Amino acid sequence: GENVEQHPSTLSVQEGDSAVIKCTYSDSASNYFPWYKQELGKGPQLIIDIRSNVGEKKDQRIAVTLNKTAKHFSLHITETQPEDSAVYFCAASRRTNAGKSTFGDGTTLTVKP
Amino acid sequence: DAGVIQSPRHEVTEMGQEVTLRCKPISGHNSLFWYRQTMMRGLELLIYFNNNVPIDDSGMPEDRFSAKMPNASFSTLKIQPSEPRDSAVYFCASSTGGGGTEAFFGQGTRLTVV
Repeated sequence: GENVEQHPSTLSVQEGDSAVIKCTYSDSASNYFPWYKQELGKGPQLIIDIRSNVGEKKDQRIAVTLNKTAKHFSLHITETQPEDSAVYFCAASRRTNAGKSTFGDGTTLTVKP
Repeated sequence: DAGVIQSPRHEVTEMGQEVTLRCKPISGHNSLFWYRQTMMRGLELLIYFNNNVPIDDSGMPEDRFSAKMPNASFSTLKIQPSEPRDSAVYFCASSTGGGGTEAFFGQGTRLTVV
């Protein structure tokens, strides 16, 4: 089955700095890579996703890159703000799994004002 | 749409008691997932359904856990008998079920077994 590894487990940055979270996956058939943000007391919520036919995707301060050859993908947050503080999860899934995703272990991001 | 609705939000029960967690997926979604979240093990997929049929229950920890989806708008996760190590946050999520689709999570049920 799929195995997703996520690093780092914790990340602390100063407000305004950039944050980068990296994930690797094992199943070469995976073709969908979502990123979720989980705030305290809430369920994970999708913030951005990327599919295997795209190498990079950007949405305002958030960007995701995908390297299918190396089987890794990364989340980049620029100009971080205190409200970006949360736990971030990467995930991977394949077309045939009816939406089932394998999640990384999560990264706790703290943005210091 | 109100999103995925889970109940109860919090449950405290004594060891040995039966616990039933409930989930109402987003209308029109064909896939439903039950996840368990703990500090030690992160987010674990317990079971998922597609068109009300269980597809993969390999994540269910043991026979004390069971899940049903009698119709497209309702699912339950039951633990009988419950044990302290079952204490966790249980999430239900739903998606349209097509390949490569976003999962929408509920707010979760925080279960404490004492």
